[in-house]
Amino acid sequence: DGGITQSPKYLFRKEGQNVTLSCEQNLNHDAMYWYRQDPGQGLRLIYYSQIVNDFQKGDIAEGYSVSREKKESFPLTVTSAQKNPTAFYLCASSSRVLSNYGYTFGSGTRLTVV
Amino acid sequence: SQKIEQNSEALNIQEGKTATLTCNYTNYSPAYLQWYRQDPGRGPVFLLLIRENEKEKRKERLKVTFDTTLKQSLFHITASQPADSATYLCALLSNSGYALNFGKGTSLLVTP
Repeated sequence: DGGITQSPKYLFRKEGQNVTLSCEQNLNHDAMYWYRQDPGQGLRLIYYSQIVNDFQKGDIAEGYSVSREKKESFPLTVTSAQKNPTAFYLCASSSRVLSNYGYTFGSGTRLTVV
Repeated sequence: SQKIEQNSEALNIQEGKTATLTCNYTNYSPAYLQWYRQDPGRGPVFLLLIRENEKEKRKERLKVTFDTTLKQSLFHITASQPADSATYLCALLSNSGYALNFGKGTSLLVTP
């Protein structure tokens, strides 16, 4: 079955550490996205990529980095520069062309700073 | 600035009734609007997309309206069931044209 997989489901980070969240899709989608969700804040866009080897900052990119070396993969690194990283992180993908199918989301990674 | 507003208060209704959720937006000129369902601890799931030239769209027990003059979309669930209890998000394409902005969502609770 086609889908989008995020791992790990739960992640604990110590102060000053970088951590990388994995996102893999087998839907043959060109576009991929990272969102952060905090209680009462809704989803906020961190980074997005419309095509391999290209990505753009979203609304809250500071303290995060991404890469898009393969169509299927869009990992997110939360760096030590991100001052408040505890949140629920969601990866999504979509076809580039407007379709009736919207975004497909992964099941999320919950990151906690300890 | 661009805003997408959904009722922050939870909506509690009785099973069998129609639930109506509201999405209002400002500073968007949307070609389409989308609705998603999110269960606790899970990623959102796409439900429906309605285009600017479509006044109404239906899918099973779901109905969405889109009024670009009022800058509002209404999302209806008819004959609601406890399994419909979830948070419902509306989404619009940002002015960059490349990614969706989401409302904060409205929590729906359907009681037997």
